[in-house]
Amino acid sequence: AQRVTQPEKLLSVFKGAPVELKCNYSYSGSPELFWYVQYSRQRLQLLLRHISRESIKGFTADLNKGETSFHLKKPFAQEEDSAMYYCALRAGRGAQKLVFGQGTRLTINP
Amino acid sequence: DTGVSQDPRHKITKRGQNVTFRCDPISEHNRLYWYRQTLGQGPEFLTYFQNEAQLEKSRLLSNRFSAERPKGSFSTLEIQRTEQGDSAMYLCASSAPGPIYGYTFGSGTRLTVV
Repeated sequence: AQRVTQPEKLLSVFKGAPVELKCNYSYSGSPELFWYVQYSRQRLQLLLRHISRESIKGFTADLNKGETSFHLKKPFAQEEDSAMYYCALRAGRGAQKLVFGQGTRLTINP
Repeated sequence: DTGVSQDPRHKITKRGQNVTFRCDPISEHNRLYWYRQTLGQGPEFLTYFQNEAQLEKSRLLSNRFSAERPKGSFSTLEIQRTEQGDSAMYLCASSAPGPIYGYTFGSGTRLTVV
């Protein structure tokens, strides 16, 4: 069975400090990993996906198959980064459903 | 096209009543998904359509739940004989064909069963 764990429900950092939101997964095959973000009073939206190796809004995430992790990082946090972040896994190319973690609420303090 | 639309935004119903929610996906997206989200949890998969075919359904979904997508466009999710445990946010999402695409989510329908 696939499982996504986000160990921190709440994370608070100061503006300008580095941010790391942790995501660990459990899946024996080759997963596809995503980060979704939900800003206050907005809908859930895709932030980035590992397959694209992209940087969005200064965030990056590297898939580490050895550690089964897909941590989200940003070197300098900004106040507008405050949001709910969800890590999600899709079990390979043939699968359709996403399995989500419980989410981490990130608060950036001024 | 303004994205994925869900109707209604909020629904309050008495226990035992039936409710139906509607989702209009992005027009060129052939894949449609329903998820449920309770407080403090991430979205939980309910069911998935490719065009009009319902290809996957969660084992967690009781037989009181049914979903349709009759013409491969909009979808409805019906809950019969609602229970207080059904209170949640019901999210619809759609995606384009192809393995690399993520979902586009709607704003959700918040159901409260009293």
